[in-house]
Amino acid sequence: AQSVTQPDIHITVSEGASLELRCNYSYGATPYLFWYVQSPGQGLQLLLKYFSGDTLVQGIKGFEAEFKRSQSSFNLRKPSVHWSDAAEYFCAVGGSYIPTFGRGTSLIVHP
Amino acid sequence: GAGVSQSPSNKVTEKGKDVELRCDPISGHTALYWYRQSLGQGLEFLIYFQGNSAPDKSGLPSDRFSAERTGGSVSTLTIQRTQQEDSAVYLCASSQADRNTEAFFGQGTRLTVV
Repeated sequence: AQSVTQPDIHITVSEGASLELRCNYSYGATPYLFWYVQSPGQGLQLLLKYFSGDTLVQGIKGFEAEFKRSQSSFNLRKPSVHWSDAAEYFCAVGGSYIPTFGRGTSLIVHP
Repeated sequence: GAGVSQSPSNKVTEKGKDVELRCDPISGHTALYWYRQSLGQGLEFLIYFQGNSAPDKSGLPSDRFSAERTGGSVSTLTIQRTQQEDSAVYLCASSQADRNTEAFFGQGTRLTVV
């Protein structure tokens, strides 16, 4: 069975600081990996996705993520956080036709 | 439509009542998913529809929950005899058939059972 672990429930950063949100997955084959963002009262919006090829993928809003098979990880990064990035971030793994989501990481941005 | 549409956006119901939640997916998307998001929790898979195939109901938490999808488009999630633990945000998503593609989410229905 596929699963996703996001070990950090909350992350607090200062505006302008760099950010890394952790995601570990479990899946028996090459996974399909996604990061979504959810602003308050909104649905989920896709930030980026990995299926194959280059292990460093670029997404919207200046985010990137790196797939590391040896560590079963797909961490999300941003070099400089903006106040508007405060939101809930979800990592997901697909492979079957039903994506499995982590419990999410809440990002708090201090001015 | 332009995106996935869910209605109502908020629903308050009394314990024991039945509720229906509606999802209108993106036109042309054959896959449709329902997830439940409880406070502080991730997304819990409920049910998956793909075209005319039998739905995958493996995530439904009890027989009080059911869903249908009419004409391969609009879907309705029904919760019978609601309980307080049913209070959550119910999210609907749709995607093209290929598993490579992303799921597009609606804004959700916030259900409160009092």
